[in-house]
Amino acid sequence: QVQLVESGGGLVKPGGSLRLSCVASGFTFSDYYMTWIRQAPGKGLEWVSYIRGDSSSIYYADSVKGRFTVSRDNAKNSLYLQMNYLRAEDTAFYYCARDGRLNSSWYTDWGQGTLVTVSS
Amino acid sequence: EIVMTQSPATLSVSPGERATLSCRASQSVDKSLAWYQQKPGQSPRLLIYGASTRVSGTPARFSGSGSGTEFTLTISSLQSEDFAIYYCQQYNHWYTFGQGTKLEIK
Repeated sequence: QVQLVESGGGLVKPGGSLRLSCVASGFTFSDYYMTWIRQAPGKGLEWVSYIRGDSSSIYYADSVKGRFTVSRDNAKNSLYLQMNYLRAEDTAFYYCARDGRLNSSWYTDWGQGTLVTVSS
Repeated sequence: EIVMTQSPATLSVSPGERATLSCRASQSVDKSLAWYQQKPGQSPRLLIYGASTRVSGTPARFSGSGSGTEFTLTISSLQSEDFAIYYCQQYNHWYTFGQGTKLEIK
């Protein structure tokens, strides 16, 4: 069965950096787009970024563009999100999600989420 | 950005009754619409994509309809495990979610 396990969240000061990881299993990782989605505590869902299976296509939400970098290592079945210049409004649970094979669309599987708290 | 508006924000329904949740897009998204269920302390779970296609494992009491800007998720006979927050998501032009509808026990 598909499993996605995020890690790397924690408490960081404004302006700081954090790197999130997501290890995937149960499917051919390199075949799929992967997406990061975040959810502020008690709030709704916000798309953050996606990356195509071969890393040839990457996009970001305007709210994180220039500060966050998504990458993947297909040999390690791993997805990453490097987050720099963090702001209080970046505080959220960050989920990695399995996306489509041919394009980015809906999210069939989600990890359990990792909490990022940006506070001084 | 396409804004997705869900209504109502909270819906109180008794077990066994029918629930109807609405999702409206600020511009047409064709049928590029998915529905998710989220329970407290859990990650979202995909229920429906393409506005009306149930994913494997989604009970038949869940049905989706609509196209363009107006969409509906109907739960025909509520079970105790259905009380949760429901989100719609459009993927026609980038990706945006509605703010959610909390389905609570009446």
